[in-house]
Amino acid sequence: NAGVTQTPKFRVLKTGQSMTLLCAQDMNHEYMYWYRQDPGMGLRLIHYSVGEGTTAKGEVPDGYNVSRLKKQNFLLGLESAAPSQTSVYFCASRRRQIEAFFGQGTRLTVV
Amino acid sequence: KNEVEQSPQNLTAQEGEFITINCSYSVGISALHWLQQHPGGGIVSLFMLSSGKKKHGRLIATINIQEKHSSLHITASHPRDSAVYICAGSNTGNQFYFGTGTSLTVIP
Repeated sequence: NAGVTQTPKFRVLKTGQSMTLLCAQDMNHEYMYWYRQDPGMGLRLIHYSVGEGTTAKGEVPDGYNVSRLKKQNFLLGLESAAPSQTSVYFCASRRRQIEAFFGQGTRLTVV
Repeated sequence: KNEVEQSPQNLTAQEGEFITINCSYSVGISALHWLQQHPGGGIVSLFMLSSGKKKHGRLIATINIQEKHSSLHITASHPRDSAVYICAGSNTGNQFYFGTGTSLTVIP
């Protein structure tokens, strides 16, 4: 997973605080995704991007915003964190019709 | 009902055993992916296949398009194979459908 880097790896937030998660890939991939992973559930898509300057909502977008100003970076923002957003967040990237590459995950706790 | 179902949810095996994890899907997909996630770790892609069979070392993945079914086999299992294995389908729109994962524990 050297090609997809997520920062930070761990974070504890208080309810109502904001933060931005950064995903960076160096493989020139068009597609980038943000997922959350919760116990007993599969990976759920928050937002995704099919290219620089474009973003789209996924399955669970509420409470999150994203931006992709540069092709290599995909930012996930939480404007006002809630305990329900406690989760592990994964970023992924891929080129069309090839395997996906995932980051190491960000473990976020909202207290 | 999830678009992708895996079985079993949990699996414990003795070192050296042959292991099979199954995946069934109900949506149209262009490729089937097998992913591996070690405890507290990131997610790694093991296989991407659209037909037939692929082999990497002790791991073998097969897919039956007509039956919408895939299997992941691990031969001569080892404790380092202990991980969660995730099945996922992707479509031509590059969306993914994920299973909930199979947690494998291999006991020495």
